[in-house]
Amino acid sequence: DTEVTQTPKHLVMGMTNKKSLKCEQHMGHRAMYWYKQKAKKPPELMFVYSYEKLSINESVPSRFSPECPNSSLLNLHLHALQPEDSALYLCASSLAETYNEQFFGPGTRLTVL
Amino acid sequence: EDQVTQSPEALRLQEGESSSLNCSYTVSGLRGLFWYRQDPGKGPEFLFTLYSAGEEKEKERLKATLTKKESFLHITAPKPEDSATYLCAVQARTSYDKVIFGPGTSLSVIP
Repeated sequence: DTEVTQTPKHLVMGMTNKKSLKCEQHMGHRAMYWYKQKAKKPPELMFVYSYEKLSINESVPSRFSPECPNSSLLNLHLHALQPEDSALYLCASSLAETYNEQFFGPGTRLTVL
Repeated sequence: EDQVTQSPEALRLQEGESSSLNCSYTVSGLRGLFWYRQDPGKGPEFLFTLYSAGEEKEKERLKATLTKKESFLHITAPKPEDSATYLCAVQARTSYDKVIFGPGTSLSVIP
């Protein structure tokens, strides 16, 4: 299996909702990433997990809460989001944090109303 | 400050018209330079990794080269299916090897 999967593909939520994004890989990669991408902009790093521990948090607001239950799964819990948080959320994985050939999932298109 | 720029911002080519995309970088020690292709609404697709000046990699109609300050992605005889945004990213020898993405070049290949 050489792919990263993400669910759901699309998500619409209100500012008071709580939702979660899910990412899964079965390539044996030990580093996993969350990125946020706005239209016509490059991906912007949010979080990095290395060996299931949070190693980088790019000063992301606390309304985004990452979780890495095991080496294959990565979640992003969302609560009290703002309309400006609407974006494509991308998950990626790499063999390890220092080997950054990252393989990306298809993304979740999030719309906050 | 570590920085990555790409030019041109957008490029329109006729099918079969070869060209090059540029990625210029300023980083405190390069660990690796990566090229990705991204189709609208999808995740980036990994193309190449380059580690040292003089290195070249090829895949079908694409060839990536690296110097000490920039990388080029050469597209030979492009086809409409090569239309996409091409992203360059660098990994610097900072305290945590962060990957920095350039803004991308949007390529359109016209039949």
